[in-house]
Amino acid sequence: KNQVEQSPQSLIILEGKNCTLQCNYTVSPFSNLRWYKQDTGRGPVSLTIMTFSENTKSNGRYTATLDADTKQSSLHITASQLSDSASYICVVSAKWVKRGSTLGRLYFGRGTQLTVWP
Amino acid sequence: SAVISQKPSRDICQRGTSLTIQCQVDSQVTMMFWYRQQPGQSLTLIATANQGSEATYESGFVIDKFPISRPNLTFSTLTVSNMSPEDSSIYLCSVEPPDRAGELFFGEGSRLTVL
Repeated sequence: KNQVEQSPQSLIILEGKNCTLQCNYTVSPFSNLRWYKQDTGRGPVSLTIMTFSENTKSNGRYTATLDADTKQSSLHITASQLSDSASYICVVSAKWVKRGSTLGRLYFGRGTQLTVWP
Repeated sequence: SAVISQKPSRDICQRGTSLTIQCQVDSQVTMMFWYRQQPGQSLTLIATANQGSEATYESGFVIDKFPISRPNLTFSTLTVSNMSPEDSSIYLCSVEPPDRAGELFFGEGSRLTVL
């Protein structure tokens, strides 16, 4: 069964600290993995997208890693800021031929709710 | 990228009524996707809206409950019919822009509360 599991479910850290969010998946055949940030009351916004051959990808203070062998990904946030408080969603795409789209079939995790305290 | 506008951003509705959510994109897109995000749950795809043809619904979702219109390449509506409290959720419109193939962009969402 294709699944995406995220941990922890929620996390509280102090401003300036680092943190790492985890994503384990069983989706097959794997196409790519995305991390989204969703602020409260807003739609998800893409942070990174990684393909099978990519191990690490950074976007400012966000660094995502992918281990396709163990089917694990992590999102590391450096020097956290209050604005990092949000839900972080891991999305794994399975290769799926659909006319008119290259998205594949998407499997969403439930997200990790991150709260950054001053 | 794509700018996606959804209306309404939030609403409170009575049981048994219907609500139509609008989604406007600033560029022409082939497919528009409607998702539901229930509290504490992952995003769930309701249906894919194609211009000029019937929407394609995912397992567990039916046209009578969630009728969808797609009159042109920049606009779509999702109606939540005969609402019950279980329909309280965030409904999200999303697109894959033609110049950003493989990437999914979301609207701000429509938060629906059914009393």
